[in-house]
Amino acid sequence: AQTVTQSQPEMSVQEAETVTLSCTYDTSENNYYLFWYKQPPSRQMILVIRQEAYKQQNATENRFSVNFQKAAKSFSLKISDSQLGDTAMYFCAFMKKSGAGSYQLTFGKGTKLSVIP
Amino acid sequence: GAVVSQHPSRVICKSGTSVKIECRSLDFQATTMFWYRQFPKQSLMLMATSNEGSKATYEQGVEKDKFLINHASLTLSTLTVTSAHPEDSSFYICSASPSGRVVWDTQYFGPGTRLTVL
Repeated sequence: AQTVTQSQPEMSVQEAETVTLSCTYDTSENNYYLFWYKQPPSRQMILVIRQEAYKQQNATENRFSVNFQKAAKSFSLKISDSQLGDTAMYFCAFMKKSGAGSYQLTFGKGTKLSVIP
Repeated sequence: GAVVSQHPSRVICKSGTSVKIECRSLDFQATTMFWYRQFPKQSLMLMATSNEGSKATYEQGVEKDKFLINHASLTLSTLTVTSAHPEDSSFYICSASPSGRVVWDTQYFGPGTRLTVL
């Protein structure tokens, strides 16, 4: 079974600064996907960024980027130029690429990020 | 694109009654939909995987007779909580994976349904 660990229950960052959220995972799979989802106070889960394990290049989406270290099974999220609207719970998630249990997301426990004005 | 809706957003019911929650993919077809439960300040727990035209696959510990799932079309899945009890009070979230698209593997989430059982 896959496990996803987010070791930072809460973090804060000053507006316009950069923050990095950590995530590690444990799996015996070689092909898989990793995701970061954001859940603001509205509780709507929003996809932030996705990474395919076979791709060595780190995914980026505007102010959001990841540092994917496959050998270390690490998948951190960097938020640049933090904005007040980034305040939310951030969940790291793992998905197997094929086989039994495909498409199922395994979530970490989340990191609560507060952006301070 | 990739919008998922849920209805109702909030529901309050009496103990012993049944409640139906709908999950719709508005601008895409979804062969597979998922139902999650989220307790306050906790992560999402997968309850079941719903496949269009077939029986749902439930996670260990989830009572299939209590949480009935129907995925009758490529855009609609329903979760019925039967004989609800106060311990069923929770936030229920659905998600859907687009079928027939390159990005089949990404799940898009509905806004959730807050169920309160009195």
